[in-house]
Amino acid sequence: KAGVTQTPRYLIKTRGQQVTLSCSPISGHRSVSWYQQTPGQGLQFLFEYFSETQRNKGNFPGRFSGRQFSNSRSEMNVSTLELGDSALYLCASSLAPSGGAETQYFGPGTRLLVL
Amino acid sequence: AQSVTQLGSHVSVSEGALVLLRCNYSSSVPPYLFWYVQYPNQGLQLLLKYTTGATLVKGINGFEAEFKKSETSFHLTKPSAHMSDAAEYFCAVTLNNAGNMLTFGGGTRLMVKP
Repeated sequence: KAGVTQTPRYLIKTRGQQVTLSCSPISGHRSVSWYQQTPGQGLQFLFEYFSETQRNKGNFPGRFSGRQFSNSRSEMNVSTLELGDSALYLCASSLAPSGGAETQYFGPGTRLLVL
Repeated sequence: AQSVTQLGSHVSVSEGALVLLRCNYSSSVPPYLFWYVQYPNQGLQLLLKYTTGATLVKGINGFEAEFKKSETSFHLTKPSAHMSDAAEYFCAVTLNNAGNMLTFGGGTRLMVKP
C-alpha cells in the first residue's frame, strides 16, 4: 500500500506570495493532519481534517488555511508569505480521529523556503 | 493543556551501548504517548505508542518504552545501539479529547559512535 504522498517536495517562494501544498493520504485513511517543523519552534500542529471538516486548529495566524476533499486528499494554503514561514510542512494520515489513540502515518514533507 | 519535555537535545552513545532517551509529559488527564523517529530529509516514522494497558511497550527496531504515571515519564530505550539508529527522535502526546492533535517534544538527536 502506498504511503502518504506530498507534493511538491521542495518549493521556493518570495515574501508576499502565496503557496498551496498538497497531501494524498494512505488509501482508506480519512483523517489528515498538518504540522510545521522549524529549527526554532520544532514540530507544531497546524490543523486536522476528517470528512472534509476541520476538527482541530493549532495556534497559527489566519494566513494558514486548509481544506479536505471528498477523496480525503488535503491541501494547505499559506497566503502573504513571511520569511518565518520557511519550514518543513508534514502531512499525516490516519484511519479516523478515534479519540487520539490512532496511529498517524507521516509523509516525507514539503520543504518551503521563503526568500 | 499538555506538554512534552525531552531532556537532552543531543545524545551520543557508542555502538553496542545502551540507548536511553528521556521524555517527560505534563497532562491533566491520562495521555496517549508516542515515540517517532526522523531520518534526514524524511518524515516521521512511528516507533511505538502507549494508549492503555501494559505500561511497557515494545516497538520496532528493538526499541521499547515504559509509561510511568507516577514520574510522568515515557523514556525510550534500546539495549544495544546500532549505527543505523542515528537519527532524531521525538516524543509526542495527545489526549482522548484532542483528536489527532499531537504535541511534540523538542527532539533528541542520537549520534552513534563506531
